[in-house]
Amino acid sequence: QKEVEQDPGPLSVPEGAIVSLNCTYSNSAFQYFMWYRQYSRKGPELLMYTYSSGNKEDGRFTAQVDKSSKYISLFIRDSQPSDSATYLCAMKPHSGGSNYKLTFGKGTLLTVNP
Amino acid sequence: DGGITQSPKYLFRKEGQNVTLSCEQNLNHDAMYWYRQDPGQGLRLIYYSQIVNDFQKGDIAEGYSVSREKKESFPLTVTSAQKNPTAFYLCASSGDTGELFFGEGSRLTVL
Repeated sequence: QKEVEQDPGPLSVPEGAIVSLNCTYSNSAFQYFMWYRQYSRKGPELLMYTYSSGNKEDGRFTAQVDKSSKYISLFIRDSQPSDSATYLCAMKPHSGGSNYKLTFGKGTLLTVNP
Repeated sequence: DGGITQSPKYLFRKEGQNVTLSCEQNLNHDAMYWYRQDPGQGLRLIYYSQIVNDFQKGDIAEGYSVSREKKESFPLTVTSAQKNPTAFYLCASSGDTGELFFGEGSRLTVL
């Protein structure tokens, strides 16, 4: 079983839809969870950074972590064509400068159709 | 503007040649990283450096080399020993917050 599993999609939704993106993981040591957005031919940019279980909201984006199920989600409300990108989940066991232990999912390609 | 600059954006290489990808950051970050991204594979760590004059192998270091002579710079050399070098290469850096900042990437194609 891979450490981090993410459905690659592609996922296609109409403008205004609620989008749900998910990752599952097997390493119970993971405590810090991130979502990155990557536009085509560009570097990833950090969207959400959460610690342990719970929800975090930022504008139209909500990140949810359920450590008991080893499952994380990113919800996008009122999706826009500009949200069309690949979304990568990432996670690591420790905070601060331990990014060499960061494990990425393979990414989900999202298209929002006008 | 603060950020990470990678060059060149596109690079073509003949088999048997070494090529060097440049990565410069002005974020005053101590740690820098090189990732490789292939379709359907996600990001894989090649090398990382947590401080000047020190670097460590990541998960897929074979066929690659790096140096870290300055805090701002972390060049990656793709050697002829790398069997499948065609990929999208991403440089990143991080500071005390742990947030990873990425460059725009360099796409290497072997002819």
